[in-house]
Amino acid sequence: DIVLTQSPATLSLSPGERATLSCRASQSVSSYLAWYQQKPGQAPRLLVYDASSRAADTPARFSGSGSGTDFTLTISSLEPEDFAVYYCHQRRNWPPGTFGQGTKVEIK
Amino acid sequence: EVQLVESGGGLVQPGRSLRLSCAASGFIFDDYPIHWVRQAPGKGLEWVSGIRWNGGIIGYADSVRGRFTISRDNAKNSLYLQMSSLRVEDTAFYYCTKAISSSAPYYMDVWGKGTTVTVSS
Repeated sequence: DIVLTQSPATLSLSPGERATLSCRASQSVSSYLAWYQQKPGQAPRLLVYDASSRAADTPARFSGSGSGTDFTLTISSLEPEDFAVYYCHQRRNWPPGTFGQGTKVEIK
Repeated sequence: EVQLVESGGGLVQPGRSLRLSCAASGFIFDDYPIHWVRQAPGKGLEWVSGIRWNGGIIGYADSVRGRFTISRDNAKNSLYLQMSSLRVEDTAFYYCTKAISSSAPYYMDVWGKGTTVTVSS
């Protein structure tokens, strides 16, 4: 199975700052990677798919990039509602379509 | 409003069975693949199983293959997960999720609120 490793585990930032989240795959997943956001007590929400395509209703401050094994989710200027856990997810090798372990973006 | 509502969770003893249901509304159910994804307490996400619009099985996670069976009834806009030989490690919050489209069946853009399954003696 393809393993996705996210870093850092926790990112402590202030509102208005730029957040850069990394996801590294153990082998190439081409561009078949998505990012999800999950807030406490809520279901995940799809933000980005195919590495860089924003899902419907995803604000423009979220952008995804990368291909192959290295991917980045960037939040250009953190809003209060962006503090959450973010998961990357590959569908190159399906099943099982593995998820990363998550990066928590917390308020500094 | 596009909505998925899970039900059927609960407390069950190891080795027993449980059937989860997911009721869909607000979209043409039989146009989309649907999945089950679970999340153990305090842990990350794990895809469990998925099914295509026509009932073709997308697959099962290794951890549940042979014990769980996914199915759907398009006439009832419903998805099911029959879980047998349940283990303590199956304890999790189970989400029903809808794929973006039949041509992108693996990205999940709508999620239910989930249902809790607790396997314990």
